[in-house]
Amino acid sequence: EAEVAQSPRYKITEKSQAVAFWCDPISGHATLYWYRQILGQGPELLVQFQDESVVDDSQLPKDRFSAERLKGVDSTLKIQPAELGDSAMYLCASSLVYSGSLNEQFFGPGTRLTVL
Amino acid sequence: AQTVTQSQPEMSVQEAETVTLSCTYDTSENNYYLFWYKQPPSRQMILVIRQEAYKQQNATENRFSVNFQKAAKSFSLKISDSQLGDTAMYFCAFMKYGDDKIIFGKGTRLHILP
Repeated sequence: EAEVAQSPRYKITEKSQAVAFWCDPISGHATLYWYRQILGQGPELLVQFQDESVVDDSQLPKDRFSAERLKGVDSTLKIQPAELGDSAMYLCASSLVYSGSLNEQFFGPGTRLTVL
Repeated sequence: AQTVTQSQPEMSVQEAETVTLSCTYDTSENNYYLFWYKQPPSRQMILVIRQEAYKQQNATENRFSVNFQKAAKSFSLKISDSQLGDTAMYFCAFMKYGDDKIIFGKGTRLHILP
């Protein structure tokens, strides 16, 4: 069964360092999402891609976070420099189309980031 | 803005019992979707059940069913004959019709006890 892949699963870093997370969506899924899930909270959308284009990055802290999906397939989320408050689970999800119709989002296992 | 509230941070029930998780939401939209997602420990989040707001009939998926009260803006999840594998975080979520953005509640941690 096709799944969303993410790596690494766990990352420990010191504040002011740079970190990067990778996501490979389900094959054929044009829409890709990055969420941040702080401990004890529900996921919050950071950025949404349709193919290689950003559809929504209104909640992405652009001074330190960046995301790209250069070929419209896999995606990288980067934080530079990391801060203590960035400690969270970073989830990637993908869905089949973006057309206003309901398409289920499939989630990856996440990357748990700890900033020391 | 839409909000989703889950008032039960944590619950525990014995295996084979029935458990109900509560969720309320606030929106001015008339057309929307509601979801329950399950996030098992160290595993990916999966969709358990969804409800279209225009449908009066409550959705069911095997042992999982919802009680959707549109006027009261309430959307509870009932798990019947609970199993150890149901142990997980459960998130109630909202999506406006025609949108892709999911608004999640803070979750309810459910423990099924042997």
